[in-house]
Amino acid sequence: GAGVSQSPSNKVTEKGKDVELRCDPISGHTALYWYRQSLGQGLEFLIYFQGNSAPDKSGLPSDRFSAERTGGSVSTLTIQRTQQEDSAVYLCASSLFGQGNQPQHFGDGTRLSIL
Amino acid sequence: RKEVEQDPGPFNVPEGATVAFNCTYSNSASQSFFWYRQDCRKEPKLLMSVYSSGNEDGRFTAQLNRASQYISLLIRDSKLSDSATYLCVVSSGGYQKVTFGTGTKLQVIP
Repeated sequence: GAGVSQSPSNKVTEKGKDVELRCDPISGHTALYWYRQSLGQGLEFLIYFQGNSAPDKSGLPSDRFSAERTGGSVSTLTIQRTQQEDSAVYLCASSLFGQGNQPQHFGDGTRLSIL
Repeated sequence: RKEVEQDPGPFNVPEGATVAFNCTYSNSASQSFFWYRQDCRKEPKLLMSVYSSGNEDGRFTAQLNRASQYISLLIRDSKLSDSATYLCVVSSGGYQKVTFGTGTKLQVIP
C-alpha cells in the first residue's frame, strides 16, 4: 500500500527564497508530524497536526516557518526567506491516531540545501 | 535533564556478537515506547514496540524497566545489516507528540 509521500525529494535554492515542502500522509491517518534532521543529528520536532484540532507549533524554530494541513490530509511546510542554517532533511510522519501508542510512519524526506 | 537520552555510540561489535542499548526517559508518566531504526541518509523505520512485559522479535528483544525509567534493546547474533542508528521513542500517551532520542549508532564489523 501507499506510504507517506513527500515532495520534492531534493530542493536546492538560494538564500532568501521561499520554499514549500509537501507531505501526503497514509490514507486514514489523522495525525501528521513534521521533523527536521541535520546531518549527523537527531530528529527535531517542528509541528504536529491531529484531526481538526489546532496544531502544536511548539517546535517551529522561527516565524519564517509555517505549515498547514488542508482537508485533514495533505500538509505543506513553508519556509520563508530561507537561511543557510535551514539546510537539513525535512521528514514528515503520520500515524493512525495522534495517540502516543500509535507508531509513526515516515516519508523519505525532502533534502533541502540553501546556497 | 533531557526527556529521552541515549548513548550516541558508536558501538563497534563483531559479527555474531550480542549488543544491548539502553534509553532513559525522564517522565515517569510515559506510557508508550518504541525502537526505530535509521539507516544512513534514510528515514526512521519502526523496529518494534516495547511492551511492559517485554517482547521479542527474532534476534531482537526489547525490555521496559519502569522503576529505573529506561528501555533496552538487545540484538543477538549481530549481522552486518544491523549496522544503523537505533532511536528510542517515548510518549506520555493521550494526544501527545512523541519524543525521539538522538539515537545510538551501531557498526557491526566483519
